[in-house]
Amino acid sequence: KNQVEQSPQSLIILEGKNCTLQCNYTVSPFSNLRWYKQDTGRGPVSLTIMTFSENTKSNGRYTATLDADTKQSSLHITASQLSDSASYICVVSGASGTYKYIFGTGTRLKVLA
Amino acid sequence: NAGVTQTPKFRVLKTGQSMTLLCAQDMNHEYMYWYRQDPGMGLRLIHYSVGEGTTAKGEVPDGYNVSRLKKQNFLLGLESAAPSQTSVYFCASSYRGQGPYNEQFFGPGTRLTVL
Repeated sequence: KNQVEQSPQSLIILEGKNCTLQCNYTVSPFSNLRWYKQDTGRGPVSLTIMTFSENTKSNGRYTATLDADTKQSSLHITASQLSDSASYICVVSGASGTYKYIFGTGTRLKVLA
Repeated sequence: NAGVTQTPKFRVLKTGQSMTLLCAQDMNHEYMYWYRQDPGMGLRLIHYSVGEGTTAKGEVPDGYNVSRLKKQNFLLGLESAAPSQTSVYFCASSYRGQGPYNEQFFGPGTRLTVL
């Protein structure tokens, strides 16, 4: 069964600290992996998109990595800010012809002053 | 550009009532999607459309109908609402399908409660 699992479920860090969120998937065949940020009461907003041939992608203080062999991805947040408090969702899609996005349940991050 | 907009933002229904959720996008995107988001679960696809006049079932289509009469609009209908349909509904659009450079843009969501 195609699945996307994220860890931890929730995380609390102090402002200025770094953190890393994990995503493991079993989706096959694999096309691409996306990380989204979802603020409370808002829709998800794309942070990064990576294909199987890309192993790292950055967007400001956000850096995503992908290991297609082990089917693992991580999202690293550097020098966290209060505005980083949100849910971070990992989404994996299969190869074209099998339309489907598989959404993880997200990691809820709280950044404290 | 307004991006993706959804109407209404909140709604409370009684069991058996009907309603329509409206999604509009101004990015000339071909693909549009309806998802529901429930606590402890990832977003699940209800229906999607690959172009004006087309619709297709997603992962959880039962109890919902959709229409895409105009390219910019995608309507989600509940004919006879049930408490199990209490959820937050998100509309999204993308230029094309699931290819790596076809980013999905999401609307702000509609919070629906069925009593």
